Amino acid sequence: DAGVIQSPRHEVTEMGQEVTLRCKPISGHNSLFWYRQTMMRGLELLIYFNNNVPIDDSGMPEDRFSAKMPNASFSTLKIQPSEPRDSAVYFCASSFLSRGGLSTDSSYEQYFGPGTRLTVT
Amino acid sequence: EDQVTQSPEALRLQEGESSSLNCSYTVSGLRGLFWYRQDPGKGPEFLFTLYSAGEEKEKERLKATLTKKESFLHITAPKPEDSATYLCAVQARGYSTLTFGKGTMLLVSP
Repeated sequence: DAGVIQSPRHEVTEMGQEVTLRCKPISGHNSLFWYRQTMMRGLELLIYFNNNVPIDDSGMPEDRFSAKMPNASFSTLKIQPSEPRDSAVYFCASSFLSRGGLSTDSSYEQYFGPGTRLTVT
Repeated sequence: EDQVTQSPEALRLQEGESSSLNCSYTVSGLRGLFWYRQDPGKGPEFLFTLYSAGEEKEKERLKATLTKKESFLHITAPKPEDSATYLCAVQARGYSTLTFGKGTMLLVSP
């Protein structure tokens, strides 16, 4: 398996522009997570999907951020308009929840992609 | 709110000099504690899951242990290739997400 695939690996854009980050999870995984990593705040969960449905988006910083998962093999994270404080590394991770998808008694490992380094100037 | 605190923030060792990294946590019922390794410019790589106090897991020069309040990652006779940032995360019972610490940056000099 190729693992979690993210694109682009690097993105440099100007303030106010729209940015779209893409993720292909591991085949067979039913959960997908978007994280943001900065030196100050570490790794923060933005949103996660189970069976393509958004379950928890409480980590999304504000309305400028949106995420979609139209099918089991693709997800996007969009920032519109982008701001310099959005500069960070964005990771996508996938996992398999073994008990009914939404079961909260499962313990599982998340597998991360290589990340997208976003710089907003 | 779940909290994970890792110490030290950075650690420099000589090759062969054993040491331990600490992960202290507060969680409303632990379902699992996870250790990840992250190399520069890469995503975190899964190492271990621990489920209950007293549990230990080993992988090459790494051994992870768990108590009710903290976990240790012991590194025995480290090599330069063990240099990385080590992240700890907890999953609370009743939740499907992980809360990460900020990590310990380990540098092993030859």
